Amino acid sequence: EIVLTQSPGTLSLSPGGRATLSCRASQTIRSSYLAWFQQKPGQAPRLLIYGASTRATGIPDRFSGTGSGTDFTLTISRLEPEDFAVYYCQQYGSSPITFGGGTKVEIK
Amino acid sequence: EVQLLQSGGGLAQPGGSLRLSCAASGFIFRNYAMTWVRQAPGKGLEWVSAISGSGAHIYYSDSVEGRFTFSRDNSKNTVSLEMSSLRVDDTAVYYCAKNFEDGVATYDYWGQGTLVTVSS
Repeated sequence: EIVLTQSPGTLSLSPGGRATLSCRASQTIRSSYLAWFQQKPGQAPRLLIYGASTRATGIPDRFSGTGSGTDFTLTISRLEPEDFAVYYCQQYGSSPITFGGGTKVEIK
Repeated sequence: EVQLLQSGGGLAQPGGSLRLSCAASGFIFRNYAMTWVRQAPGKGLEWVSAISGSGAHIYYSDSVEGRFTFSRDNSKNTVSLEMSSLRVDDTAVYYCAKNFEDGVATYDYWGQGTLVTVSS
C-alpha cells in the first residue's frame, strides 16, 4: 500500500497569500496518477487536480499541481476567502487507492 | 448536469446491517465505474469499494472485504452498498463517487454523503 504523507498539517495564511502544500508518497506513483481534492466543512470533496498537474473542469488557474515520482505539490497562488478548506491528495496508480491525511488551510 | 443522490444509512448496532443507495443522472451511467469513499468523524478520506461500469469487476478494501457488497443496476442508474457485520469503526460519512473516466480511479462527482453510525 502506498502511504501518502501531507505536510504541513495546518497552514495559516492571509487572503492574497500563497499556499504550498506537499504530498509525499512512500513509493513511486505510477504515471503520475495523483489527484488533489478540496473539502469544506459539511461538503463532499471537490476534484481540483488530476494526473498531478491537470486542472479539473471549472477550477481556477490560481490552483496548480506539480511533481512526479514520490513528491507532489499543490500551489494556490493567491488565496481567495473561499479557498480556506482542507486539501487531500490521492494516488490512483496502485491498489489499494489511498488518500493523504490532509492539510488544513486556515485564515491567519 | 451530473447528480448523485444518496439515500439510506442511519444507526445500526454492532453486527447489524445497513444498505446505502446512490441514484445517478446526467451521464451515461453504464460507461463509468463508481466508487464508495468514507470519512470517519473528524478524519480523512478512505477508499472503500469500486465497481466497473458493467458491474463485472468489484474491488474492496481489506477493512470491508467479506462484509460489504457493492452492486449496480444499469437499468435504473443506481448503485448500492450492502453493509453487514457492522463494526463501531465503520462509523463514517459514506460518499458515492463517479470515476473520472474509464480506467481512471479518481472522482469528478460526489454524492452529498450519508452518515452511518454503528453503536450499541
